[in-house]
Amino acid sequence: AQKVTQAQTEISVVEKEDVTLDCVYETRDTTYYLFWYKQPPSGELVFLIRRNSFDEQNEISGRYSWNFQKSTSSFNFTITASQVVDSAVYFCALSGYAGGTSYGKLTFGQGTILTVHP
Amino acid sequence: NAGVMQNPRHLVRRRGQEARLRCSPMKGHSHVYWYRQLPEEGLKFMVYLQKENIIDESGMPKERFSAEFPKEGPSILRIQQVVRGDSAAYFCASSELYQETQYFGPGTRLLVL
Repeated sequence: AQKVTQAQTEISVVEKEDVTLDCVYETRDTTYYLFWYKQPPSGELVFLIRRNSFDEQNEISGRYSWNFQKSTSSFNFTITASQVVDSAVYFCALSGYAGGTSYGKLTFGQGTILTVHP
Repeated sequence: NAGVMQNPRHLVRRRGQEARLRCSPMKGHSHVYWYRQLPEEGLKFMVYLQKENIIDESGMPKERFSAEFPKEGPSILRIQQVVRGDSAAYFCASSELYQETQYFGPGTRLLVL
């Protein structure tokens, strides 16, 4: 069975602080994908990043960066110089091979509520 | 390129009524997924469909819930005889063939009175 754990339920920071959201996963699949999604107060789910299990390179996109470490089964997300608009719920998710032509369902963590104060 | 469309955005039903939730995937996407977000349970997978086929329904409740993705038209998630516990946000996602990234719609908020 697959499992995703986001141990931080809520994080509160002041604008311009850096913040790291933790994600630890469990899977028996040798090939799998990891994702981060953002859910702002408006409620939609916004895709941020996808990583496959064979690519452990860290990635940076603007103020966002991701650290994938297979040895510790972690896929952490850092926001540098946080802004009020970063306030949202952030979900880490995992998909494994479901047969056929796709990887099927996503298993989500419980989410981390990030509040950035001005 | 329009994103994933879901309608209605909000739906109110009385206990015992039927709820029909619609999802139009992104253009060119042939895979559709439904998820439910309950306040205390987070986002949970319900069903994965391709055109005219149910690929994985391991997350669907055994009774009252059904889903389809016909050859023409949107995917439908149908809940019969709704109960208060069905109140939740229902999200649809879609992906391309051979692509693993799922793009989500804005969700349908179902409230059962």
